[in-house]
Amino acid sequence: AAGVIQSPRHLIKEKRETATLKCYPIPRHDTVYWYQQGPGQDPQFLISFYEKMQSDKGSIPDRFSAQQFSDYHSELNMSSLELGDSALYFCASSLGAEGGDEQFFGPGTRLTVL
Amino acid sequence: QKEVEQNSGPLSVPEGAIASLNCTYSDRGSQSFFWYRQYSGKSPELIMSIYSNGDKEDGRFTAQLNKASQYVSLLIRDSQPSDSATYLCAVAEAGTALIFGKGTTLSVSS
Repeated sequence: AAGVIQSPRHLIKEKRETATLKCYPIPRHDTVYWYQQGPGQDPQFLISFYEKMQSDKGSIPDRFSAQQFSDYHSELNMSSLELGDSALYFCASSLGAEGGDEQFFGPGTRLTVL
Repeated sequence: QKEVEQNSGPLSVPEGAIASLNCTYSDRGSQSFFWYRQYSGKSPELIMSIYSNGDKEDGRFTAQLNKASQYVSLLIRDSQPSDSATYLCAVAEAGTALIFGKGTTLSVSS
């Protein structure tokens, strides 16, 4: 079965640089969530999209933005990167509340900020 | 502040034993409850979802939900060394973002 695809899998950036993370949800899934997981931490919700509209916002810094495109893939844009942004970034997709709200996670992008 | 609490462990059980993982949550509006397994450096893998009070069984896994006590548990029967991982309890209102507990580390010794 098709899974959530994330790219790149690994990313190394310098402080103050920008990064773009991509997420391709499971086919027919209309809801995408972004989570950040620091070392030894549980995943923290950043932002979500339903049918290409932002549906909820969590602890996402103002330096970060995201959007969902017409093909349902999503991108997380991160600017002015800081050392503390080093983490695993996961995208999860679901069918949404109407179709069952189980969230399936992608393999993640490991971001290292030097 | 919506919170999900889990014992961090480690929980150590011998191979073939039953592992019991527990979780409590603070938000009475929560409607969806999940258990994820996460190996180090990997993504969370959904192993159980439960929405109604009572038990739900899937293979060696049984999830239990008690909304009155705001309590969710996961039983793993016939534990295997490959079950050694961190188990994350996650809670959500319908169709919303997951709130995770900090996870319980399970170690199954052969």
